Amino acid sequence: QVQLLESGGGVVQPGRSLRLSCAASGFTFSSYGMHWVRQAPGRGLEWVAVIWNDGSHEYYRDSVKGRFTVSRDNSKNTLNLQMNSLRVEDTAVYFCARANTAMGPLCMDVWGQGTTVTVSS
Amino acid sequence: QSTLTQPPSASGTPGQRVVISCSGNSSNIGSNYAYWYQQLPGAAPKLLIYKNNQRPSGVPDRFSGSKSGTSASLGISGLRSEDEADYYCAAWDNSLGGWVFGGGAKVTVL
Repeated sequence: QVQLLESGGGVVQPGRSLRLSCAASGFTFSSYGMHWVRQAPGRGLEWVAVIWNDGSHEYYRDSVKGRFTVSRDNSKNTLNLQMNSLRVEDTAVYFCARANTAMGPLCMDVWGQGTTVTVSS
Repeated sequence: QSTLTQPPSASGTPGQRVVISCSGNSSNIGSNYAYWYQQLPGAAPKLLIYKNNQRPSGVPDRFSGSKSGTSASLGISGLRSEDEADYYCAAWDNSLGGWVFGGGAKVTVL
């Protein structure tokens, strides 16, 4: 079945870096765009970034532009999120989600269970 | 980044119908599809409604979606205890070049 498994979360000091990964299985990874979405403790969902299926296009929310970079390795069925210059306000559970255009442009149809990032001194 | 506007909560007794609204603008819901996600406590979000009113396979027909102008709504009929969850609306925003979510509505079954 379709599965997404995030990893790489942890506790990091402000200004430092962290790299998240999302391992995909059960579908043809190279045929789908992928998203990162985050949820701060006790808060709502916040879209972070999307990457096209072939990696040709990326879009980010304003607050992470220039600090976060989304990438993918279609040969390894893996999605990544490189997070630099982390801020306290980046503390959240980070979910990866599949973009299924059959359900609408870049529709997030399947989600992983999330990995927790805590930015604290 | 702007968000879509949802009421923070909604409630009903078992069997009742609950409706959750989602207000956007011409850049998001007004010109793109609306989507709805259900997030059970401690779980990942689950797609509930896509393209305004379509249900993915496996989602009961008790859940329905609609859209009019710059607003969308989610209806839950025959409310059950297992429907207690947070419900989020979402849409692509042309002006922002990204997805926006509502703040979430917590549904309580009394």
